[in-house]
Amino acid sequence: DIQMTQSPSSLSASVGDRVTITCRASQSISSYLNWYQQKPGKAPKLLIYAASSLQSGVPSRFSGSGSGTDFTLTISSLQPEDFATYYCQQSYSTPVTFGPGTKVDIK
Amino acid sequence: QITLKESGPTLVKPTQTLTLTCTFSGFSLSTSGVGVGWIRQPPGKALEWLALIYWDDDKRYSPSLKSRLTITKDTSKNQVVLTMTNMDPVDTATYYCAHTPLTTYYFDYWGQGTLVTVSS
Repeated sequence: DIQMTQSPSSLSASVGDRVTITCRASQSISSYLNWYQQKPGKAPKLLIYAASSLQSGVPSRFSGSGSGTDFTLTISSLQPEDFATYYCQQSYSTPVTFGPGTKVDIK
Repeated sequence: QITLKESGPTLVKPTQTLTLTCTFSGFSLSTSGVGVGWIRQPPGKALEWLALIYWDDDKRYSPSLKSRLTITKDTSKNQVVLTMTNMDPVDTATYYCAHTPLTTYYFDYWGQGTLVTVSS
């Protein structure tokens, strides 16, 4: 199985901050990396697929980059509605695997 | 507009079999490339993928749970059913179904989820 790790596990930030979350795969997954946002009590929401493609309807302050084993999700200017937990997920092969999540809360 | 909704029991006893139904609209599971997956999330924990079924009846399972899982589809009813045998308290989780496009393994539309508690 491909193992996914994320760092940091949590972070505190202020509205307007630039936030970067890192995801690493245990082997090369090319660009088969996706990012989800989850708010408490809600289903995950797809933000980025194929490492850098913005899902329809997602604000442009979200961006993704990387390939191979190292990937990044960046929020260019954090908004109040962005406080949530973020998960990466590899779609290179089954079993599909998710990272442990990064919780972004208010400083 | 694609929507999915999970249904099933909220409480099951240990050793029982769980049957969950995902009823969807806005797409057809007879369309080439389309799939539906199941993902679960124990309270306060991360997401865990369980199974996937595609339009051509190709099925994929989590290796760690494969012996306990069965996924099937009823194209005429727009439903996907997941059964999990021998339920244990550690299987307590919110179970989600989700749409996967174009023979990929990512999930662009999700159901609201259903919390299943395993307790005697």
